[in-house]
Amino acid sequence: QVQLVESGGGVVQPGESLRLSCAASGFTFSGFGMHWVRQAPGKGLEWVAFIRYDGSNKYYIDSIKGRFTISRDNSKNTLYLQMSSLRVEDTAVYYCVKGALVGASDFDHWGQGTLVTVSS
Amino acid sequence: DVVMTQSPLSLPVTLGQPASISCRSSQSLVHSDGSTYLNWFQQRPGQSPRRLIYKVSNRDSGVPDRFSGSGSGTDFTLRISRVEAEDVGVYFCMQATHWPRTFGQGTKVEIE
Repeated sequence: QVQLVESGGGVVQPGESLRLSCAASGFTFSGFGMHWVRQAPGKGLEWVAFIRYDGSNKYYIDSIKGRFTISRDNSKNTLYLQMSSLRVEDTAVYYCVKGALVGASDFDHWGQGTLVTVSS
Repeated sequence: DVVMTQSPLSLPVTLGQPASISCRSSQSLVHSDGSTYLNWFQQRPGQSPRRLIYKVSNRDSGVPDRFSGSGSGTDFTLRISRVEAEDVGVYFCMQATHWPRTFGQGTKVEIE
């Protein structure tokens, strides 16, 4: 069965960096795009970034452009989110989500999430 | 960006009774390929979101048939034919036609 396991969250100060990882299993990772979606404490869901199956195209929400970078290593079945210049408003649970540019397999499986807290 | 507006934001329901959630988009969600990429998610307390419905009306595997989705263009609805206790949680619509992907604010379903 599909499993997505995020790691790398923690408490950091504003301006610092953090790298999230998502280990994927149970499907052909190299054949699917992947998303990061976040949820601030007690709030709704916010899509953050997407990377195509081969890493050829990446999409980001405006508020993180230039600060966050999505990447993947298909040889390790792992998705990453490199976050720099972190702000208090980046505090959230970050979910790794299986995806596609479009289609039935987009957003069909979610990880359990990893909490990032940005606080001074 | 496409704004997704859900109503109501809070929905007290009686067990066994129907429930309905509306989701409206600020632009048509018809993709250039002719499909409409509107998803519904359920988030139970303390859990990750789970997709219930994709492409407006297609139920995911394992989703009870009391859940149904309908709509077109900019106007969509999630219906629960008979609410059960396990349906308590927050429901989100999300459009996957336009970049950036955007979610509705969420509708909290609770038992009266």
